Amino acid sequence: GESVGLHLPTLSVQEGDNSIINCAYSNSASDYFIWYKQESGKGPQFIIDIRSNMDKRQGQRVTVLLNKTVKHLSLQIAATQPGDSAVYFCADGYQGGKLIFGQGTELSVKP
Amino acid sequence: DTGVSQNPRHKITKRGQNVTFRCDPISEHNRLYWYRQTLGQGPEFLTYFQNEAQLEKSRLLSDRFSAERPKGSFSTLEIQRTEQGDSAMYLCASSRPTSGRETQYFGPGTRLLVL
Repeated sequence: GESVGLHLPTLSVQEGDNSIINCAYSNSASDYFIWYKQESGKGPQFIIDIRSNMDKRQGQRVTVLLNKTVKHLSLQIAATQPGDSAVYFCADGYQGGKLIFGQGTELSVKP
Repeated sequence: DTGVSQNPRHKITKRGQNVTFRCDPISEHNRLYWYRQTLGQGPEFLTYFQNEAQLEKSRLLSDRFSAERPKGSFSTLEIQRTEQGDSAMYLCASSRPTSGRETQYFGPGTRLLVL
């Protein structure tokens, strides 16, 4: 069946550096992806989404890149701040409503 | 606050008891979702509603679980005869699909501990 996975369970970066979190998906028909940030004890918070007719989408300090050829997407966070420390999930929205989540990458920002 | 709200935020119960959680979606969001999340994992889909109609249920949802959205606004998730394996965070999300995009906004979750 479909799956969504992240390449690394943990990522540690220095404050001010850029962070890159990667995600792979298996369903070539998937056409909508969302990145969420989840802080401890809280629900997932929407960061940015992208449809398959785009390769790149930018938000405030965040950029999502989608490579459909290799079924890979990434979340780039510019000038990472301590407040960015959280678990980041990519989710596949192909199922026409329900989201399929990966396991998450825990981002730790060192001051 | 106009976000998704969930009550209670925490629930401790004994095995075999019934529990009920409530979710209030963002106003005018016609879709409402329930997910379950265990420690170290991403949320797993349980069920969702469009207005008051329950459109899909996951195979994860045993007969002990039931969800309702009687008036197309708030929703309740009931677990009967709770088991220790039901211990998890139960998340609610809501959305209003537009132009091929469906951003789901999550509530803070209800953390259930079954003793």
